[in-house]
Amino acid sequence: SQQGEEDPQALSIQEGENATMNCSYKTSINNLQWYRQNSGRGLVHLILIRSNEREKHSGRLRVTLDTSKKSSSLLITASRAADTASYFCATEGGGKLIFGQGTELSVKP
Amino acid sequence: DTAVSQTPKYLVTQMGNDKSIKCEQNLGHDTMYWYKQDSKKFLKIMFSYNNKELIINETVPNRFSPKSPDKAHLNLHINSLELGDSAVYFCASSQRQGGGYEQYFGPGTRLTVT
Repeated sequence: SQQGEEDPQALSIQEGENATMNCSYKTSINNLQWYRQNSGRGLVHLILIRSNEREKHSGRLRVTLDTSKKSSSLLITASRAADTASYFCATEGGGKLIFGQGTELSVKP
Repeated sequence: DTAVSQTPKYLVTQMGNDKSIKCEQNLGHDTMYWYKQDSKKFLKIMFSYNNKELIINETVPNRFSPKSPDKAHLNLHINSLELGDSAVYFCASSQRQGGGYEQYFGPGTRLTVT
C-alpha cells in the first residue's frame, strides 16, 4: 500500500518564487526522506528528517515534519529553472522505502 | 566516477524474449535494490539484497530473477518479457538496509517491450 502522498501533483512557478510541496503519510515513521528526479535521470537524495526533528535545512531547501498530522513539507526558496524536476517523499514500511507519486515542479525562467 | 551504474540505458525488445540488466555500485554499500517506475512515475521496490542475501522480494512475477554475485553487483534477469514489463528500472544502493539510510540511484534502464 502507498504510504506517502504528495500534494500538489504538479506545480508551476516563476524563477525566484518559493515552491512548497507537501507529503502526507498513514502510519508512524522513524524518518522521512525527500528525493529529486530530473527528467530521464535517477533519483537524488535531498534530505532525511527523523521523527524527533521538526525542521531541517540544506541550502535553499527547508523540510518540516509534523508527526501529529503525519505530514511533511519541502520548501525550495528562490527557485531556479534548474530546480525543475519531480520531488518525492519516502517513508519506511516493512524495512523498505515506500515512495509517493511525486510532485512535478516546473520553474519558468 | 559513477557511484551506481546500470547497463544498458535503453533496451527495446520483443515479447517473449529474455533480457538482463546489470548494476554495479562502487560506494562500498552493503545493500542494493531494484525498483520499477511506471509511466505515471510511481516507483515500487522489487527486490533488495544485503551482502548478497535476498531480504526483500515483493510480489514480483517469478519471470524476474535477481542475482548478486558479490555485494557490489546486482543484476536483474527477465524471462518471457511481456508488454506490461515496459517501464524504467532503477538500481539503488544504501550503506545498510532499512529506511534510515539514504539511497543512491543509478541512471535507470528504460525497457520497452513491443
